[in-house]
Amino acid sequence: DGGITQSPKYLFRKEGQNVTLSCEQNLNHDAMYWYRQDPGQGLRLIYYSQIVNDFQKGDIAEGYSVSREKKESFPLTVTSAQKNPTAFYLCASSRTGDFPTNEKLFFGSGTQLSVL
Amino acid sequence: GNSVTQMEGPVTLSEEAFLTINCTYTATGYPSLFWYVQYPGEGLQLLLKATKADDKGSNKGFEATYRKETTSFHLEKGSVQVSDSAVYFCALNSGNTPLVFGKGTRLSVIA
Repeated sequence: DGGITQSPKYLFRKEGQNVTLSCEQNLNHDAMYWYRQDPGQGLRLIYYSQIVNDFQKGDIAEGYSVSREKKESFPLTVTSAQKNPTAFYLCASSRTGDFPTNEKLFFGSGTQLSVL
Repeated sequence: GNSVTQMEGPVTLSEEAFLTINCTYTATGYPSLFWYVQYPGEGLQLLLKATKADDKGSNKGFEATYRKETTSFHLEKGSVQVSDSAVYFCALNSGNTPLVFGKGTRLSVIA
């Protein structure tokens, strides 16, 4: 079945540590996205990539980094500079990265990151 | 800029009650409007969409009509079920930016 796979489902970060969240899709989609979900805050866009080897900052990119070296993969690194990283992280993809688009977003099942 | 405002939750209803979740938007140009649903422990999935004024999106008994004059896209269902318990997100897509989501409204349906 085609879809988006996020791993791990739960992740714990120690002080001063960088952690990387994995996101893989086998839908052959051009665009991929990372959102952060906090209670009462809805979804906030961290980074997005409209095509392989390119990405742009979203609304809350500080303390995060990404890469898009392969079409199917868009890992997110939460760096030690992100002082409040505890949240639910959602990865998504869409067939095209041409905005505006009516293409629906396909979401993974998310990664819950907590700070030890 | 583009933004979406949803009614505050949580919303608690008895089974078979009528559901309305309000959504209004601010956008430049002519946005497309969406409702996404998130079941517990999962990612979001598209529920319905409308791409132009007066369009009605519908799916699984849910409906929403794109009202340009009131800049609204309210979600309705005539008779909710326990299985409809989830968080509902209104979203819009306009201009050269990715989808913009509202804060979400949690719905709990009790038997």
